[in-house]
Amino acid sequence: GAGVSQSPSNKVTEKGKDVELRCDPISGHTALYWYRQSLGQGLEFLIYFQGNSAPDKSGLPSDRFSAERTGGSVSTLTIQRTQQEDSAVYLCASSSRRASTDTQYFGPGTRLTVL
Amino acid sequence: GQQLNQSPQSMFIQEGEDVSMNCTSSSIFNTWLWYKQDPGEGPVLLIALYKAGELTSNGRLTAQFGITRKDSFLNISASIPSDVGIYFCAGSGGATNKLIFGTGTLLAVQP
Repeated sequence: GAGVSQSPSNKVTEKGKDVELRCDPISGHTALYWYRQSLGQGLEFLIYFQGNSAPDKSGLPSDRFSAERTGGSVSTLTIQRTQQEDSAVYLCASSSRRASTDTQYFGPGTRLTVL
Repeated sequence: GQQLNQSPQSMFIQEGEDVSMNCTSSSIFNTWLWYKQDPGEGPVLLIALYKAGELTSNGRLTAQFGITRKDSFLNISASIPSDVGIYFCAGSGGATNKLIFGTGTLLAVQP
């Protein structure tokens, strides 16, 4: 595709439910990142995938958060037993990682609201 | 999570004025980036800086990578209404190239 796409654009859920957020990176990009943006805050790194390497999960806030990337393309971020503090915009970015100067391109984000 | 110190938090200016914002960090970064985010959108890259001391321009935007590699500034000259948005600095380095973001500067431009 022309850019990074994410779905759904908005998700409202009840506390305790599980949610899945999807990211379609730019075709050919080997690196994929998930970030979280809370209201009025900057972006916070969550997880990074690069090719077939083990992901960098150092930013995941708790074991309720997990992510996978199937076939080196589409990624799904799963939040189990959602809490109100999980409410935020979840942004995905991808890059080609062909050089140290590669650029991360962001999707429009998924706005998650936990009631 | 870790964040950069970005200032000012917000700016309310008249069209045509120049704007300056900056970021500082306690850590060294290999790359400094400046993004702009419009409501409901993801951040869009404005300028990327890869070398300490580098000064780069993109139209009315100018940014510099500090010599110490711990700071950067962004200048916008002759602001226009479409400059309105939130500006974020970001630093990256290390094997994963993950971005550490500043807290953002909200820019409002009055015609």
